[in-house]
Amino acid sequence: KAGVTQTPRYLIKTRGQQVTLSCSPISGHRSVSWYQQTPGQGLQFLFEYFSETQRNKGNFPGRFSGRQFSNSRSEMNVSTLELGDSALYLCASSPSHQNQPQHFGDGTRLSIL
Amino acid sequence: QKEVEQNSGPLSVPEGAIASLNCTYSDRVSQSFFWYRQYSGKSPELIMSIYSNGDKEDGRFTAQLNKASQYVSLLIRDSQPSDSATYLCAVNGDNQGGKLIFGQGTELSVKP
Repeated sequence: KAGVTQTPRYLIKTRGQQVTLSCSPISGHRSVSWYQQTPGQGLQFLFEYFSETQRNKGNFPGRFSGRQFSNSRSEMNVSTLELGDSALYLCASSPSHQNQPQHFGDGTRLSIL
Repeated sequence: QKEVEQNSGPLSVPEGAIASLNCTYSDRVSQSFFWYRQYSGKSPELIMSIYSNGDKEDGRFTAQLNKASQYVSLLIRDSQPSDSATYLCAVNGDNQGGKLIFGQGTELSVKP
């Protein structure tokens, strides 16, 4: 069974640009959650999607947004990039949206110049 | 007070010893608890999940949960150098959907 697939693996952007990251969950998983990982803040929850609906949102500015498609694939968008947005962005999937183990993809490493 | 707290380490144990990793959480109504292992430069890998008080064993790993003390731990028996990694404790609160709150992680080093 294929795992969670995230693309691209690496991105380099400059301040002010925007970026879109993609996540394909494990087959049959309907919940997709996004996390940001930085050395200083650790792993922080961004948002979760289930059945194309955002079910939960973390404490991030509105520049961070996402969506989920009918096939459960999800995208995350960050607009007006700031230097502090440099991080590893991780996507995780689970069968449903409550109390389920989440399985992570390899992540997208975003660097802002 | 942080929602999920772990000793940052590093925790150093000799090969073959038992490594004990601890985690406390602040939300008393938390329902689900997970341990992840993260090797340097890699993404977190699920090791254990535990939902009720007591012990849960899987191979060399044992997770222990005490909801009254708001405490969850992970024991690694017969530690191997390949167990050297950062171990992340994650907690899922009541009615929090897929939101996992992570601790900062404990770095484990197993010396041959």
